[in-house]
Amino acid sequence: DTEVTQTPKHLVMGMTNKKSLKCEQHMGHRAMYWYKQKAKKPPELMFVYSYEKLSINESVPSRFSPECPNSSLLNLHLHALQPEDSALYLCASSQGGGLRRAGQPQHFGDGTRLSIL
Amino acid sequence: KNQVEQSPQSLIILEGKNCTLQCNYTVSPFSNLRWYKQDTGRGPVSLTIMTFSENTKSNGRYTATLDADTKQSSLHITASQLSDSASYICVVSAKSGGGADGLTFGKGTHLIIQP
Repeated sequence: DTEVTQTPKHLVMGMTNKKSLKCEQHMGHRAMYWYKQKAKKPPELMFVYSYEKLSINESVPSRFSPECPNSSLLNLHLHALQPEDSALYLCASSQGGGLRRAGQPQHFGDGTRLSIL
Repeated sequence: KNQVEQSPQSLIILEGKNCTLQCNYTVSPFSNLRWYKQDTGRGPVSLTIMTFSENTKSNGRYTATLDADTKQSSLHITASQLSDSASYICVVSAKSGGGADGLTFGKGTHLIIQP
C-alpha cells in the first residue's frame, strides 16, 4: 500500500459542481505536490507546498484551488471544471522542503481519477 | 531546454525474458536520475535513484545504469514477470531547479509482458 493516501479514488462531477480532492501522508514529509496526468502522458506539476506554504504554482487555472491545512494534509478544491480537466490527479510528498532541494525522492499516491461531464 | 527522451515508446516481451529500457537526457546541471514504475490506475513507485557518481544500482530484478558523460541511463529487467507490465518513467532532477519545478519527466516506456 502507498504511504500517500488520496481520496476519493474516482470522482465524476458536472461542470457546475464544487468538489475537493484530499491527500494525506504521515511520513513527516515537509513538501507536498499536486500533479495532473493525462492518459499515456507523464505527470505534469500543478502546485508545490513547502512547509505548508505554496511555493510553486505552475500557471494553473483558478478553477483549481490548493489548500494545505497542515503538514500532513493537502487538498485540491475544484470548481467550474471543464471536460479537458478530466485526468488522473496525483499527490506526492518528499522529505525535504521542496523540489529546490536536490535528491529528494517523491512518494506518490495512487491518484484520483476525475471525470468531468 | 531540459529534456528527457525514453525509448522504446512501447515494448512487448515474453514472460521470463530480459529487456532494457533507455533514457537520454539533456538536463543541466544534473543532480539525480530516478526510474519509476507506474501500474495502470496507480501512482508511480520509485525503483531506483542515482546520483552523478553512481554507475549502477539494483533493486531486485531491476538494474539501472547511469553514464553521466553521455547523459544516458538504462533500466534492465531480468527474468520478466507478468507483474512487470507497466509504464516505466525516467525522471531527471536539476541541481538548482533547472526547470520551473526542478524535475523533468520522460514520456515513459509502456512495457507488456505476455505469458
